[in-house]
Amino acid sequence: DGGITQSPKYLFRKEGQNVTLSCEQNLNHDAMYWYRQDPGQGLRLIYYSQIVNDFQKGDIAEGYSVSREKKESFPLTVTSAQKNPTAFYLCASSGQSTGELFFGEGSRLTVL
Amino acid sequence: GESVGLHLPTLSVQEGDNSIINCAYSNSASDYFIWYKQESGKGPQFIIDIRSNMDKRQGQRVTVLLNKTVKHLSLQIAATQPGDSAVYFCAERIRYAGGTSYGKLTFGQGTILTVHP
Repeated sequence: DGGITQSPKYLFRKEGQNVTLSCEQNLNHDAMYWYRQDPGQGLRLIYYSQIVNDFQKGDIAEGYSVSREKKESFPLTVTSAQKNPTAFYLCASSGQSTGELFFGEGSRLTVL
Repeated sequence: GESVGLHLPTLSVQEGDNSIINCAYSNSASDYFIWYKQESGKGPQFIIDIRSNMDKRQGQRVTVLLNKTVKHLSLQIAATQPGDSAVYFCAERIRYAGGTSYGKLTFGQGTILTVHP
């Protein structure tokens, strides 16, 4: 089935560690996105990529990094510079013809 | 309706009633709007969308109304069912000079809908 796969679903991290969240899509979409969701709040854009080997900062990019080496993949690294990394992270993709975002099931990161 | 803050607006309805969820958007340059449904611990699911050149669009049991004059968006769910219980988000896409920002959406805070059997 076509869709977006995020892994891992749950992740625990010690302070000072970098962690990488995986996002893979088989929808042949050009654009991919990472959003962060905190309890009781909407989604905030971290990074997005409209084409392979190119990406732009979103509204809350500090402490995060991404890469887009393949069309299908857009991994997000939460670095030790991110002061409050505990959150629910959502990856999404979209095609050129629509504005609709297709979301993965999310990855919940907890810093111990 | 949706608002800024840590406490999400809530709407409680009885099964079979109609539900109306409201959203105030911020930017008059927005050209596209979407409603998403998010169940606990899951990713948002697309419900319905509308472009700024329309004021109403209907889907299966859902209707979206757009009032550009007051920058207001609403989602109407007919014959609400317990399975409709979730958080509902509106999102807007802002058109920048030279074209749209290609799928880059800004989300509202969300409204919690609870449907009682």
